[in-house]
Amino acid sequence: NAGVTQTPKFQVLKTGQSMTLQCAQDMNHEYMSWYRQDPGMGLRLIHYSVGAGITDQGEVPNGYNVSRSTTEDFPLRLLSAAPSQTSVYFCASSYSGLGVLSTEAFFGQGTRLTVV
Amino acid sequence: KNEVEQSPQNLTAQEGEFITINCSYSVGISALHWLQQHPGGGIVSLFMLSSGKKKHGRLIATINIQEKHSSLHITASHPRDSAVYICAVGGGAGTASKLTFGTGTRLQVTL
Repeated sequence: NAGVTQTPKFQVLKTGQSMTLQCAQDMNHEYMSWYRQDPGMGLRLIHYSVGAGITDQGEVPNGYNVSRSTTEDFPLRLLSAAPSQTSVYFCASSYSGLGVLSTEAFFGQGTRLTVV
Repeated sequence: KNEVEQSPQNLTAQEGEFITINCSYSVGISALHWLQQHPGGGIVSLFMLSSGKKKHGRLIATINIQEKHSSLHITASHPRDSAVYICAVGGGAGTASKLTFGTGTRLQVTL
C-alpha cells in the first residue's frame, strides 16, 4: 500500500522556470490538498480538491495551478517560479474534508523546492 | 494573533520524562488533529479528536472544547519520539475542507 506518493523530493529551479509537483494516492480518497511549509509558520493551504474535476483555492493560491482529472492524481504546477516560492511542499489526501471528524489525513513525504 | 497557538515552541527532555505539548485555538472547530513530523520531513497523523481523550501506546491526547485547548502527552519519552509535533484544527463554519495549523513544537529527547 503506497499511500500518498509525492515527487520529486528535491528540486532547484531558476526564477521564471515552470515545473509540476506530482502527487498520487492509491486509497481512493476524494479529498486531496497541497500545502506549503515555511520556517516559523504553520502549513498553509494552497489548493484543494473534493473530487475529480473539482478544485478550489486555499489560503495562498497565487502562482500555482492545479487540476484533478482523476481521483488518484493531483499535480501542482508552478507557472513562473519566484524566490518567494522556495518552500517545502506537502500533498495530503483523506476520505473527506479534513475538518470532518474521523477523517485521517495522509501526507506525502514532501518536496523541498529552492528557487534561485 | 494566530488562530492556533502551540507551546512550547521547543522542548528538550531526558529519556523517560513525561512530556506535555499544548495547543490553544480561537475558532470554532469540529475536529482537532495532532501530527508528527520527523527529521527528513514526513508527516503522519497521530490523533483526531473532538472531545474527551484518546490514547495510543505512550501517547495521550485530550481536548477541552469549552476552553478551546488540547494537550498531547508522551509518557516514558524515548529518543525516537524526537520530532516536531503539530496541532491542526478544522471544521468550523465554512471550513469543512480546510485545516489551520500551528507552527509546531520541536521535541528533542536525549539519553
